[in-house]
Amino acid sequence: LVLTQSPATLSFFPGERATLSCRASQDISSPSLAWYQHRPGQAPKLLIYYTSTRATGIPDRFTGTGSGTDFTLIIDRLEPDDSAVYYCQQFQNSVTFGGGTRVEIK
Amino acid sequence: QVQLVQSGPELKRPGASVKISCKTSGYTFSSYFIHWLRQAPGQGLEWMGMVNPSGGGTSYALNFQGRVTMTRDKAATTVYMELASLRSEDTAVYFCSREVYGVGGSRRFDPWGQGTRVKVSS
Repeated sequence: LVLTQSPATLSFFPGERATLSCRASQDISSPSLAWYQHRPGQAPKLLIYYTSTRATGIPDRFTGTGSGTDFTLIIDRLEPDDSAVYYCQQFQNSVTFGGGTRVEIK
Repeated sequence: QVQLVQSGPELKRPGASVKISCKTSGYTFSSYFIHWLRQAPGQGLEWMGMVNPSGGGTSYALNFQGRVTMTRDKAATTVYMELASLRSEDTAVYFCSREVYGVGGSRRFDPWGQGTRVKVSS
């Protein structure tokens, strides 16, 4: 099961909204899709699980949506600290990650 | 709080083996699977496999079968990942992470260890 994330890189000013896409090669059930934030030199951090449930301490600026083969992570009111690579992950068939989307804040 | 603390950086020659530890604390060790993943320079996250701390059962990604061994020490609440026959392509940061299985069958990795940098070079 392959996850394809697009675009590879996004660049925004603070306060703008980012929309990240994750497309699966086959259907994924909602409980099996998660999103992570990975800053350089740090451990990846869980943002969203069960497609749309925010992890503990994650602000409501982060929203996960989607179903079937198309999933989206939306980041509202971007802050400089949101600069990172964002990965989607599936548990439907073994464990795989998308290739990541790099979000840059200007 | 739940913590996963990994061992320090490693420099290995091609053909050697590396064994990385992941010391867990703050929760019931036997109740959660531990997974290993890696990130090569400029690449994304790659799943390597998992170990069940309760019974020691393992499942490995096809890419690593025959070369990776994941074990645990219940008394030390520590999980280990050994990768053999190292080559330059194994240069990467290796992470352990706890799998949380929740309501409705939801699954996620939370938290992650801080990562262990492994460099394979002659």
